[in-house]
Amino acid sequence: QVTLRESGPALVKPTQTLTLTCTFSGFSLSTSGMCVSWIRQPPGKALEWLARIDWDDDKYYSTSLKTRLTISKDTSKNQVVLTMTNMDPVDTATYYCARIRPPQYYFDYWGQGTLVTVSS
Amino acid sequence: QSALTQPASVSGSPGQSITISCTGTSSDVGSYNLVSWYQQHPGKAPKVIIYEGTKRPSGVSNRFSGSKSGNTASLTISGLQAEDEADYYCCSYAGSSTPFGGGTKLTVL
Repeated sequence: QVTLRESGPALVKPTQTLTLTCTFSGFSLSTSGMCVSWIRQPPGKALEWLARIDWDDDKYYSTSLKTRLTISKDTSKNQVVLTMTNMDPVDTATYYCARIRPPQYYFDYWGQGTLVTVSS
Repeated sequence: QSALTQPASVSGSPGQSITISCTGTSSDVGSYNLVSWYQQHPGKAPKVIIYEGTKRPSGVSNRFSGSKSGNTASLTISGLQAEDEADYYCCSYAGSSTPFGGGTKLTVL
């Protein structure tokens, strides 16, 4: 059974760095072709893809947020970590992690999401 | 890497069919047969209903179907039911990115 769960602070102040952890089970990120992405959704708005990390440690980022994002994995802990620097109120959103099913390349399992509010 | 374009809203009566379009570019939708569609009810995580443009995951109703022509993918829901009222998002593999559409709110009248 595949599960993913996001964890991190519910509230961050402007200019701070956000660190989110995705803890998963039921698959291994060392399996060839496996990938995990982070996706966010501001309240009442659309989904926005943020970043992806592949089984071979290749990393990809949203062009618009690339300078602020870092994605990493700890295969032994079954975790993927996303850091976002210089947080702003417009970054207030629900942040999801999701598994990408290779080779069809769709998000087949999602975490429940974690709401992060940016406010002083 | 721009978001894919979807209509903001569509509506239909129970039993009717509706189609939601998703327009991308030759760098995403047009280049890959890897468009997926997601249904999202309020307060819930998205759920995949179509992948590889036309395929349904196990357990998804055959009232949902997908197609693609050029840079535009489409989702059709036939035999509308009240439970179909939700937000729908398209998504396309694009090599180094995975853009989503802006989302379409489906209202069942």
